[in-house]
Amino acid sequence: QSVLTQPPSVSGAPGQRVTISCTGSSSNIGSAYDVHWYQHPLGRAPKLLIYGNTFRPSGVPDRFSGSKSGTSASLAISGIQAEDEADYYCQSYDSSVSGWVFGGGTKLTVL
Amino acid sequence: QLQLQESGPGLVKSSETLSLTCTVSGGSINSRSHYWGWIRQPPGKGLEWIGSISSGGNTYYNPSLRSRVTIFVDTSKNHFSLKLTSVTAADTAVYYCAGQISYDTLTGYYGPPTHKWFDPWGQGTLVTVSS
Repeated sequence: QSVLTQPPSVSGAPGQRVTISCTGSSSNIGSAYDVHWYQHPLGRAPKLLIYGNTFRPSGVPDRFSGSKSGTSASLAISGIQAEDEADYYCQSYDSSVSGWVFGGGTKLTVL
Repeated sequence: QLQLQESGPGLVKSSETLSLTCTVSGGSINSRSHYWGWIRQPPGKGLEWIGSISSGGNTYYNPSLRSRVTIFVDTSKNHFSLKLTSVTAADTAVYYCAGQISYDTLTGYYGPPTHKWFDPWGQGTLVTVSS
């Protein structure tokens, strides 16, 4: 069981907006540690999508946005496209682990 | 452009030691701003952080693996390595190496080491533990 909890799957039709939640606790997200998000297409390496809760690396479309509040964070994808089908992971730091932790991952299906 | 590439045996016998190397190109492994990490993904499961090492040689390990893991750097070869002892079938996974950083000069974001994210990632290498 992952320290950070994500829904196993989300889906939406092309053009719709979807959100993926990442729920933590007082030892990670709730302790003001930043949350980062990765896109992991099947058979490929994970790619950084959002860092520092809300920042997009150069080259990431502005359809992707991140937010954080309390012990949770969210990734929003607007105008989803077929190419967005992938697994998405949140990541933060956990003081009880004294290390970095990942969410269990969420599979995005574009209908 | 920093690039990472994993290498090592794709098959390891149960109870033996898994050894992987990650070669860093396009930058120095001595970079003070970087940590270097290992992450794995067992078949059908999510990502699991294994451990990380700083440029100064400080190591950080997942408590669930700490007794079996060693990560070390070879600055002369610009690579870092992972050793996992006493492997079992549960250690079968795709193993990724990645750089860790907590600043971005383009946006002006600067965070403490605990805020580090993983970027870039190697392509990953499948290691199967056989009985």
